[in-house]
Amino acid sequence: GAVVSQHPSWVICKSGTSVKIECRSLDFQATTMFWYRQFPKQSLMLMATSNEGSKATYEQGVEKDKFLINHASLTLSTLTVTSAHPEDSSFYICSANPGQEGTQYFGPGTRLLVL
Amino acid sequence: AQTVTQSQPEMSVQEAETVTLSCTYDTSESDYYLFWYKQPPSRQMILVIRQEAYKQQNATENRFSVNFQKAAKSFSLKISDSQLGDAAMYFCAYRSAFVGGGADGLTFGKGTHLIIQP
Repeated sequence: GAVVSQHPSWVICKSGTSVKIECRSLDFQATTMFWYRQFPKQSLMLMATSNEGSKATYEQGVEKDKFLINHASLTLSTLTVTSAHPEDSSFYICSANPGQEGTQYFGPGTRLLVL
Repeated sequence: AQTVTQSQPEMSVQEAETVTLSCTYDTSESDYYLFWYKQPPSRQMILVIRQEAYKQQNATENRFSVNFQKAAKSFSLKISDSQLGDAAMYFCAYRSAFVGGGADGLTFGKGTHLIIQP
């Protein structure tokens, strides 16, 4: 149980375009999902908390207009990187936790390369 | 704000031996969760073990166990009978037990690269 999927796993785009990444909880409902970013050989950094039916909560230093988050249902959150630039190239990972038990389960991640 | 420190960027152990990975954290909260996650080359984050701060008993999962010292704010991971498949990055993570208010996300340490020598 507690499976989280992400799509796409890999995306290459041109500078200035927008990219949407989907995160789905496959066998549980999640009112809250989380988006992390991981640069090569570094740790995961929390970008934002996605709340079903309400606005996302962004961490300090994360541009909410660049990283648009929509949590339209109890099993789907999307992250849209708007007007992507090469410095946005990174590994983006989502997570969710079933219930209030505290454990977060992670999706397999999305590698974004902006040319 | 909470911080998590992993002071060992890399550790190496012989197959079948035991290795301990260190983690310390800083928090003013009394109730929280601590985790060890494993990230193999595929980069999929895999939960290894979790510990609730209110529990005094150290968590164990098969060959994996923790030494949780709440007063010292220390949370080390012991891997017994190391196997080649244990080779990965290991991240220690903290999560507040307070639900809501933006306090649900995980705070990660910088990670420890574990090498298993055959």
